[in-house]
Amino acid sequence: DAKTTQPTSMDCAEGRAANLPCNHSTISGNEYVYWYRQIHSQGPQYIIHGLKNNETNEMASLIITEDRKSSTLILPHATLRDTAVYYCIVRVGGGNQAGTALIFGKGTTLSVSS
Amino acid sequence: GAGVSQSPSNKVTEKGKDVELRCDPISGHTALYWYRQRLGQGLEFLIYFQGNSAPDKSGLPSDRFSAERTGESVSTLTIQRTQQEDSAVYLCASSLEAIRVLNTGELFFGEGSRLTVL
Repeated sequence: DAKTTQPTSMDCAEGRAANLPCNHSTISGNEYVYWYRQIHSQGPQYIIHGLKNNETNEMASLIITEDRKSSTLILPHATLRDTAVYYCIVRVGGGNQAGTALIFGKGTTLSVSS
Repeated sequence: GAGVSQSPSNKVTEKGKDVELRCDPISGHTALYWYRQRLGQGLEFLIYFQGNSAPDKSGLPSDRFSAERTGESVSTLTIQRTQQEDSAVYLCASSLEAIRVLNTGELFFGEGSRLTVL
């Protein structure tokens, strides 16, 4: 699976958009980008995933560059409860690789302050 | 149950002792994963079960680590002769099936078992 690179930490003011970058320059054509977050003392929580097109759900938006070598997770109006570690994962979607697990790196620690 | 349940939530043990950690997945979930998270680190994959297929043990760090799962129910992670380096939070996750994780991202985690080896 392709390796991802994320900044160690980021700060964001409450109410502002949080833009979390992820580089995955070695991504291959059948690899998806997944984002999870882990709030302190809890297990990780799924946020969003995508292949080529930008995606949006009730939690966030995912912007994937045209060459797919990087992506940005956007929390449009960050709140204090969004303070967490955010993990960007690149993984083959389905097929005969379905049996292997998602591999989490160290992620980005996002601190939202008032 | 409503979510993935893990026990004990906290375990303190002495070096050299054996420990067992338990995971109750969400009812009906066929895929079950164990991860380890050391302080300040990301999640390390340990082992994965999918239904009655042979488990993927590729992430187990040593032969002191083993896990079992009977059918599609409870799983137990056993660490023998614990070492201080085994101190970590052990997280269990489940999904309806493995392919669903990749197609939807739906992977549900428990709150973990914090193991401290003195």
